[in-house]
Amino acid sequence: EVHLVESGGGLVQPGGSLRLSCAASGFTFSNYWMVWVRQAPRKGLEWVASTNEDGSETHHLDSVRGRFTISRDNAKNSLYLQMSSLRVEDTAVYYCARRGFQDYWGQGALVTVSS
Amino acid sequence: DIQMTQSPSSLSASVGDRVTITCRASQAITNRLAWFQQKPGKAPKSLIYAASSLQSGVPSKFSGGGSGTDFTLTISSLQPEDFATYYCQQYFDFPNTFGPGTRLEI
Repeated sequence: EVHLVESGGGLVQPGGSLRLSCAASGFTFSNYWMVWVRQAPRKGLEWVASTNEDGSETHHLDSVRGRFTISRDNAKNSLYLQMSSLRVEDTAVYYCARRGFQDYWGQGALVTVSS
Repeated sequence: DIQMTQSPSSLSASVGDRVTITCRASQAITNRLAWFQQKPGKAPKSLIYAASSLQSGVPSKFSGGGSGTDFTLTISSLQPEDFATYYCQQYFDFPNTFGPGTRLEI
């Protein structure tokens, strides 16, 4: 059974940094694109970043490019989102998901950016 | 960027009804369209990919159609557990973009 479990969320001040992790199990992690999607409080879904199977190709939302970096460690079956220069508007639940069309989702990690 | 719109933004229906939600892309996306269901406080759940392919484990009461710029999600014989928010998303090009959602209410 496919499982995706996010961790690393929390409260951070504006300008701060945080790294989210997503532990994958139940499938051959290295065979799949992986994605981060976020949802601000009471708002819709927003794609954040994607990476290909070996991490050699990445794509980021314009508003996070240069501040966030998606990466993966296939040996550890883990996906990451390094977030820096965080802004209040980055406050959201961050989900990791499998494949470009997100067939499986984690439960989400809440990131709150506030002073 | 490809803009996604959904109509209606909210929809009132009754148990047993059949409803259709429409999603439109600002440019052609072939069939690279997915549909998701989200209930309050929960992660989204994949329903449909490639515009009309049913995700494993999703009941056949859900069906998707369309190609190019215009797509539909149809839910037949509504049950209480179907009342949720539904999102479409294009994955034809980056940034992948979601529609604003359709809230299905009793």
